Amino acid sequence: EAGVAQSPRYKIIEKRQSVAFWCNPISGHATLYWYQQILGQGPKLLIQFQNNGVVDDSQLPKDRFSAERLKGVDSTLKIQPAKLEDSAVYLCASSGKRETIEPLHFGNGTRLTVT
Amino acid sequence: GENVEQHPSTLSVQEGDSAVIKCTYSDSASNYFPWYKQELGKRPQLIIDIRSNVGEKKDQRIAVTLNKTAKHFSLHITETQPEDSAVYFCAPRNTGKLIFGQGTTLQVKP
Repeated sequence: EAGVAQSPRYKIIEKRQSVAFWCNPISGHATLYWYQQILGQGPKLLIQFQNNGVVDDSQLPKDRFSAERLKGVDSTLKIQPAKLEDSAVYLCASSGKRETIEPLHFGNGTRLTVT
Repeated sequence: GENVEQHPSTLSVQEGDSAVIKCTYSDSASNYFPWYKQELGKRPQLIIDIRSNVGEKKDQRIAVTLNKTAKHFSLHITETQPEDSAVYFCAPRNTGKLIFGQGTTLQVKP
């Protein structure tokens, strides 16, 4: 089975610029997550989707971050404007169903450097 | 909110020795307890998980034990090998949300 696809793999931008990341989950997976992983730390959940609805976005900095999952499949995460502290790896993950406990499958991530 | 702590933060062992990493959580409603392994520059990958109706689970050299009363679970790796060197994360889950610990860096010396 194909895994979670993310692009781009790397992105370097200057502060105050905008950036967008794309994720395509495993086929049939209803739940999609975006995590932020700062160097030396564990992944931090930014937003969780169930199909195309938001389940949890309590830790998403909504003044600069936005995410959408149109049609309940692909998702994009946007940062506008970026700050230096946004430098991190952005991981997308998916799992089958919210009702059952299933492991998360992670993509390879997008490494963002803000200069 | 949920508080998750891992101990130790770093662990160095000789090849062939055992390694144990402990994860303590605060939310008594947590019902799923996975461990993820992340090699340098790679994505986290599930290595073993346990559900709240089971106290222990083993898969070859890896095992996880759960103490729900004390709210902690542990990862046990026996006969460690250099390829076990990585960062290990616990991620107790409640109502669909995984909260990751800060990670334990395991170094296995040949």
